[in-house]
Amino acid sequence: DTAVSQTPKYLVTQMGNDKSIKCEQNLGHDTMYWYKQDSKKFLKIMFSYNNKELIINETVPNRFSPKSPDKAHLNLHINSLELGDSAVYFCASSQVEAGGSAFFGQGTRLTVV
Amino acid sequence: QKEVEQDPGPLSVPEGAIVSLNCTYSNSAFQYFMWYRQYSRKGPELLMYTYSSGNKEDGRFTAQVDKSSKYISLFIRDSQPSDSATYLCALYSGSARQLTFGSGTQLTVLP
Repeated sequence: DTAVSQTPKYLVTQMGNDKSIKCEQNLGHDTMYWYKQDSKKFLKIMFSYNNKELIINETVPNRFSPKSPDKAHLNLHINSLELGDSAVYFCASSQVEAGGSAFFGQGTRLTVV
Repeated sequence: QKEVEQDPGPLSVPEGAIVSLNCTYSNSAFQYFMWYRQYSRKGPELLMYTYSSGNKEDGRFTAQVDKSSKYISLFIRDSQPSDSATYLCALYSGSARQLTFGSGTQLTVLP
């Protein structure tokens, strides 16, 4: 009964490959996010979706494309992976009325070699 | 200037000490103030949440917000080795619908 689950937990891939990370939340929240956490632990928002609509699209390369098939799912597809994409990617969800307090998944540790 | 500034530490204290963690921010649009705790190789978990100036207490944890100074703090009393983690402040703007994090402070409580 995990609240926010993302798969896979670990992903090791070669430069130039295309990969996807999946995220699902069973909390009934209306907003989902993707965050990137670098080696210095800084959490930076990448995308935010509210009711399947893109709300925030921070300055990330267009190789990153989110897709929200429904309110409970937000997937992240990355094309032409680069070494600098290596990081931990976190999915999160929140309810707008709850003042932004977000629940996070366990993270996907992406290593590009 | 970053919107949210947090001393990255690391911070190392003996068991039983009082810990003070702080963040400053520049954007007056932030309305909600949170502290997250992140254990190694885990996702951040919400620890404290408040929306008004003043103190909020939950067990050994106290969150303090001073909107006039744009300053938030987290105090941990009687710190335990199990409190060893990275603590991140997070601020939410309803108008932007965006949660902005500080850079995190790594805390180690020594037994």
